[in-house]
Amino acid sequence: ETGVTQTPRHLVMGMTNKKSLKCEQHLGHNAMYWYKQSAKKPLELMFVYNFKEQTENNSVPSRFSPECPNSSHLFLHLHTLQPEDSALYLCASSQTSGRDQETQYFGPGTRLLVL
Amino acid sequence: AQSVAQPEDQVNVAEGNPLTVKCTYSVSGNPYLFWYVQYPNRGLQFLLKYITGDNLVKGSYGFEAEFNKSQTSFHLKKPSALVSDSALYFCAVRDNSGYSTLTFGKGTMLLVSP
Repeated sequence: ETGVTQTPRHLVMGMTNKKSLKCEQHLGHNAMYWYKQSAKKPLELMFVYNFKEQTENNSVPSRFSPECPNSSHLFLHLHTLQPEDSALYLCASSQTSGRDQETQYFGPGTRLLVL
Repeated sequence: AQSVAQPEDQVNVAEGNPLTVKCTYSVSGNPYLFWYVQYPNRGLQFLLKYITGDNLVKGSYGFEAEFNKSQTSFHLKKPSALVSDSALYFCAVRDNSGYSTLTFGKGTMLLVSP
């Protein structure tokens, strides 16, 4: 798990708060992903960045705002969240060429609780 | 559209016995198939993948999976289960077009009893 790190590991926020989740990958990859994992539901892909450009946005509400300043860092800015947004948010990265392409490597996740 | 089915919410097996976690998929074109494992309060860890070549794929921690194109299956197996194998297992698929992203199954909880 040291290849992809996420901070904070746990976050409790009120519905009017603004917070940010951070992800950093140390693997030299050029694609990064945000996933949402809720209890008893499949993993939901939220955003994909390829070479810092957003290539996918799976109908995610605008209260989630991603930012990818470079290929190693990915942020998820949160504002006016709802209790149903409480979940484990996972970051992943992958290489889009070469021998290990297609394999996504995940961080440990941020456990978010919205009160 | 691509999809993955993991028909069992939970698999129970005694330590030392063989284990199988089932996965079937649907994808247009040739599939790329993956297995990941998730321990409590952790992210997903890559176990193994099938891209092309030998239908039997060997991965981490003694796990293997067999790609069966006619049955569109990619079941995860291990000859002898350990208590420490108890975790949540996810199967994932994407097509080989270069334009699709991974689709995950809902996960199967594996419980290995001593």
